[in-house]
Amino acid sequence: GAVVSQHPSWVICKSGTSVKIECRSLDFQATTMFWYRQFPKQSLMLMATSNEGSKATYEQGVEKDKFLINHASLTLSTLTVTSAHPEDSSFYICSRGSPSNEQFFGPGTRLTVL
Amino acid sequence: GEDVEQSLFLSVREGDSSVINCTYTDSSSTYLYWYKQEPGAGLQLLTYIFSNMDMKQDQRLTVLLNKKDKHLSLRIADTQTGDSAIYFCAERASGGYNKLIFGAGTRLAVHP
Repeated sequence: GAVVSQHPSWVICKSGTSVKIECRSLDFQATTMFWYRQFPKQSLMLMATSNEGSKATYEQGVEKDKFLINHASLTLSTLTVTSAHPEDSSFYICSRGSPSNEQFFGPGTRLTVL
Repeated sequence: GEDVEQSLFLSVREGDSSVINCTYTDSSSTYLYWYKQEPGAGLQLLTYIFSNMDMKQDQRLTVLLNKKDKHLSLRIADTQTGDSAIYFCAERASGGYNKLIFGAGTRLAVHP
């Protein structure tokens, strides 16, 4: 069964609003989780590493004030897209690692900004 | 820098074998992965190989690793229509706990 869940699975919002996406590790306490972004027909690009109890580590070119990450517990990381614009429309996927070096991905959240 | 490259498209006949190729640049990568993504869905881990291995077989899947050439391949035997998807090769970046660098993905189309 799924080990990482995301909510919502899809969301449509108006330009200028903020959207929060939740990522839950269902079977493992994850001190580190990852947020990826995938544009249509393109690969996954790592946006940031979410660290439980501390600040997220953002990849180069990712605006930390626009993509707010909170990892308040060992099973939940949230990504908030602030003041969303149409160019933020994308497929957002989270993942967590494991001691066995596998990385498990959530089902993804499709964001459409009108 | 770290980079992973794949061919973008592969078409095979049902029942034939599929071979998807990938090259990577980080010679210190410890793990290399193959993921499958069906339309509108997340990523499903198919298999992974540790860098000190040359080959790994798991049912219909065979992974070959040529560390000298930094070349990874995924062979799917007896390809079925349900195998149609995008296949991503990924390397575990050196120095980063489970940080993965993905290729662009190979779209596999299986036809009768």
